[in-house]
Amino acid sequence: EIVMTQSPATLSVSPGERATLSCRASQSVSSNLAWYQQKPGQAPRLLIYGASTRATGIPARFSGSGSGTEFTLTISSLQSEDFAVYYCQQYNNWPPDTFGQGTKLEIK
Amino acid sequence: QVQLVQSGAEVKKPGASVKVSCKASGYTFTSYGISWVRQAPGQGLEWMGWISAYNGNTNYAQKLQGRVTMTTDTSTSTAYMELRSLRSDDTAVYYCARILKGYFQHWGQGTLVTVSS
Repeated sequence: EIVMTQSPATLSVSPGERATLSCRASQSVSSNLAWYQQKPGQAPRLLIYGASTRATGIPARFSGSGSGTEFTLTISSLQSEDFAVYYCQQYNNWPPDTFGQGTKLEIK
Repeated sequence: QVQLVQSGAEVKKPGASVKVSCKASGYTFTSYGISWVRQAPGQGLEWMGWISAYNGNTNYAQKLQGRVTMTTDTSTSTAYMELRSLRSDDTAVYYCARILKGYFQHWGQGTLVTVSS
């Protein structure tokens, strides 16, 4: 089973600044990596798939990069609605689908 | 628009079973698979398994093998997840999600299942 490790666990950033979240796979997942955003009391929402393709309706301030074992989600200028928990998920070696443990993005 | 609407919250006693439904609309149900993901209170996301809405093929997480069954009813575009022999650590929000090429494209709103004596 591929283990996904996200860092940091918590990230404190001021509105308007850039946030960089990391996700590492225990073995290569090629570009089969997705990112999700989850707000309290809500279901997760797909942000990025294929490591770098934004899902429908996702603002351009969200971008994904990486391949193999190292991935990054960047939010270029944080808006108030962006403070949430973010999860990465690999879908290269399935089953099982595996998620990272999440990064909580909080207001500084 | 694609919608996945799940059944309501459940409270069950240890050892009981629960069956959660997920009614799909806005797309051709049999063209996509459905996965189930759960989230214990304050915890991360755990994949439970997948079912093909086309032919009913399934794949379950190893830790749930023998306790979980996923089915679909194509006549009503509804997917079901049944979990048996419930334990307190099965307390979680259970989500269904439509799968596209392995990622979770659309999610249901979640169903809270509480296991308590």
